[in-house]
Amino acid sequence: DAGVIQSPRHEVTEMGQEVTLRCKPISGHNSLFWYRQTMMRGLELLIYFNNNVPIDDSGMPEDRFSAKMPNASFSTLKIQPSEPRDSAVYFCASSSGTVVDEQYFGPGTRLTVT
Amino acid sequence: SQQGEEDPQALSIQEGENATMNCSYKTSINNLQWYRQNSGRGLVHLILIRSNEREKHSGRLRVTLDTSKKSSSLLITASRAADTASYFCATKAAGNKLTFGGGTRVLVKP
Repeated sequence: DAGVIQSPRHEVTEMGQEVTLRCKPISGHNSLFWYRQTMMRGLELLIYFNNNVPIDDSGMPEDRFSAKMPNASFSTLKIQPSEPRDSAVYFCASSSGTVVDEQYFGPGTRLTVT
Repeated sequence: SQQGEEDPQALSIQEGENATMNCSYKTSINNLQWYRQNSGRGLVHLILIRSNEREKHSGRLRVTLDTSKKSSSLLITASRAADTASYFCATKAAGNKLTFGGGTRVLVKP
């Protein structure tokens, strides 16, 4: 298996622009997680899905952030409009969804908003 | 908020020495996991210990869990330069989500 796939790997955009990050989880996994990592805040869970349904979005910073999972093999995280404080590395992770399991992380998308 | 807090925040050792890092958490858990992150990469799962377990080994890794003190430790024996990374503990309570600590940065000098 190729593991969790994220695209793009790097994104540089100007403040106010829309940014869309993409994730393909590991086939057969039914839980998907979006994280944000910064030096100041560490690793934060933004939202997670079980069987394509959002379960907990309490970590989503504000209405500028939205996430979708239209099917079991694809998810997007959208920021509109983007702001410089959104600059971070965004990780997608997936797991089999059982109680005792591990999460598999993608390589991350490094987002820079100027 | 971060459930797990690692200690120390940074650790520098010589190759061949052991590295020990600790994690404290606040609420009851189902299991506790340790992850490694190399610079510029995603996190990689190392080991999981359930709440009813006290110690677990995997290769050069040894994890302990003390639920009465709400703490865990990760020991890396005979460290290698390739062990240089950040190490995170993560706790799982109810549901599927993990709560990560701030991490320990480990530098193994050759």
